[in-house]
Amino acid sequence: EPEVTQTPSHQVTQMGQEVILRCVPISNHLYFYWYRQILGQKVEFLVSFYNNEISEKSEIFDDQFSVERPDGSNFTLKIRSTKLEDSAMYFCATGRLQETQYFGPGTRLLVL
Amino acid sequence: QKEVEQDPGPLSVPEGAIVSLNCTYSNSAFQYFMWYRQYSRKGPELLMYTYSSGNKEDGRFTAQVDKSSKYISLFIRDSQPSDSATYLCAMSGGVKAAGNKLTFGGGTRVLVKP
Repeated sequence: EPEVTQTPSHQVTQMGQEVILRCVPISNHLYFYWYRQILGQKVEFLVSFYNNEISEKSEIFDDQFSVERPDGSNFTLKIRSTKLEDSAMYFCATGRLQETQYFGPGTRLLVL
Repeated sequence: QKEVEQDPGPLSVPEGAIVSLNCTYSNSAFQYFMWYRQYSRKGPELLMYTYSSGNKEDGRFTAQVDKSSKYISLFIRDSQPSDSATYLCAMSGGVKAAGNKLTFGGGTRVLVKP
């Protein structure tokens, strides 16, 4: 059964550094999302991406965040200058239809 | 009032029992309702999704939506120790052309004891 994959599984970085989280969607999926889950808290929406552009973003998704699908397959989330509070599990989700989303295993980001 | 509320548990049941989970919500615009299962330090796994009010059954799982009460439920029959996980409800405001953001509950931790 096809799955969403994410790399790396873990990332440790210093505050102020840039990180890029990568996602490989299921092959015929058209809708792409990033969510994050701070330890012990709810899963929170960050951004949705469709037809090569951002379709919706949350208040969390400020200027330090960006997304792109550079080669038509990978879907990336870049955090330009990481802060301590960016430490969280980041999940990519993709869907063939608007109403269903399938999540990847996540990248655990730790900012020191 | 939180947009989506879910009892954090833990909910402990003996193997073979019915697990009953629920969420309440405040936003009447929600139209799609999902249940995800999340094992520790893993990604959410989609179990069920329903549109508007009504029931949906899939194997041991039954999802119910009561939009008039803003209340959704998930029932797991013949529970197994492998069902021990955190169950997340999620909902969205309907189909948009460019995707739907999900709003999640905080999750209910379920323990099924052999």
